[in-house]
Amino acid sequence: DAKTTQPTSMDCAEGRAANLPCNHSTISGNEYVYWYRQIHSQGPQYIIHGLKNNETNEMASLIITEDRKSSTLILPHATLRDTAVYYCIVRVAYNNAGNMLTFGGGTRLMVKP
Amino acid sequence: AAGVIQSPRHLIKEKRETATLKCYPIPRHDTVYWYQQGPGQDPQFLISFYEKMQSDKGSIPDRFSAQQFSDYHSELNMSSLELGDSALYFCASSLGGTAFTDTQYFGPGTRLTVL
Repeated sequence: DAKTTQPTSMDCAEGRAANLPCNHSTISGNEYVYWYRQIHSQGPQYIIHGLKNNETNEMASLIITEDRKSSTLILPHATLRDTAVYYCIVRVAYNNAGNMLTFGGGTRLMVKP
Repeated sequence: AAGVIQSPRHLIKEKRETATLKCYPIPRHDTVYWYQQGPGQDPQFLISFYEKMQSDKGSIPDRFSAQQFSDYHSELNMSSLELGDSALYFCASSLGGTAFTDTQYFGPGTRLTVL
């Protein structure tokens, strides 16, 4: 799977949008971009994933650049409960199942009042 | 909605003892994954099963073994426990087949402490 690069940490004011960037310049054509977050010692929580089109769900929006070398996760109105480590993961999907997730570093987002 | 269930949530063992962690996937999910997260570290993949067959293997010690049963639940067996095995152990499940069903959903984890 392609390697990803994320900022180590970011701050965001409560109620404002949080924009978390991720670089994945070696992404392959059949690799998806997944975002998970982990709130302190809880199980990682799936947020969103996409291939090349922008995606939106009830939690967040995912913007993928046209060349697919980078993406941004957007939390439109951050709350204190969004404070967590956010992981951007690139992986091949639906390949006879069993594909692992490789967690690396992530961005520690601190939402402040 | 039903989530992944893990038991026990907390477990304390002595060195050289054995431990068994259990994972009950989301109903209809056929794939189970195990991850280990040491203190201050990111989750690391251990092993996965698809339709009761091992599908991927990561950095799982030889002292550990796992299996998936006919009802799709999985058990991680850990023997000759060492202090370094103290960690959070997460199970995740997915429904293999397409990009939008292959998403992994994680359980709350089992915190194993080896004394």
